[in-house]
Amino acid sequence: DIQMTQSPSSLSASVGDRVTITCRASQGISNYLAWYQQKPGKVPKLLIYAASTLQSGVPSRFSGSGSGTDFTLTISSLQPEDVATYYCQKYNSALFTFGPGTKVDIK
Amino acid sequence: EVQLVQSGAEVKKPGESLRISCKGSGYSFTSYWISWVRQMPGKGLEWMGRIDPSDSYTNYSPSFQGHVTISADKSISTAYLQWSSLKASDTAMYYCARHLFPGDSNSQFDYWGQGTLVTVSS
Repeated sequence: DIQMTQSPSSLSASVGDRVTITCRASQGISNYLAWYQQKPGKVPKLLIYAASTLQSGVPSRFSGSGSGTDFTLTISSLQPEDVATYYCQKYNSALFTFGPGTKVDIK
Repeated sequence: EVQLVQSGAEVKKPGESLRISCKGSGYSFTSYWISWVRQMPGKGLEWMGRIDPSDSYTNYSPSFQGHVTISADKSISTAYLQWSSLKASDTAMYYCARHLFPGDSNSQFDYWGQGTLVTVSS
């Protein structure tokens, strides 16, 4: 089975900072990678799919990149409403797998 | 408006059976796969399995195969997740989620239900 890892597991940054979260697959998954945001007590929300395609309605400060085994989610200017846990997910083949999550809060 | 509305919270005893539901509206229910996702208290997201509501074809994560059953009734646009014998370790929030692209079993999840909290305790 393909395993997904994320780093860091948590981070604290200031409003306006550029934030980068990394997701790594144990085997190549092409660009079958999505990112979700889950705010405390809320339902997960799709941010990005196909590694770099922004889901409709998602602010442009969110971006994704990568292919194969290494992927990144970038928030270009962190806002207070971005406090959340972010999960990557691989969705190729018959088995979907989420990463363990990265918790982002404001310093 | 696309909506997935799940059934309410449940409190059960170990060994009991349970079925929770997820009703889709605002779109063609049979055109989009539905997945179920578990979130244990304070933990991350775990994919459990998926179903094609048009023919009820299912795939399961090996971690959940044999312990849960996913089904659907397309006549009432509803998907189900059921257990025949609950364990305390089944205590979690359960979400249903719609796949993004019609007919695509391998796509990500754009619409999510509000979640059903299942508590299993003696």
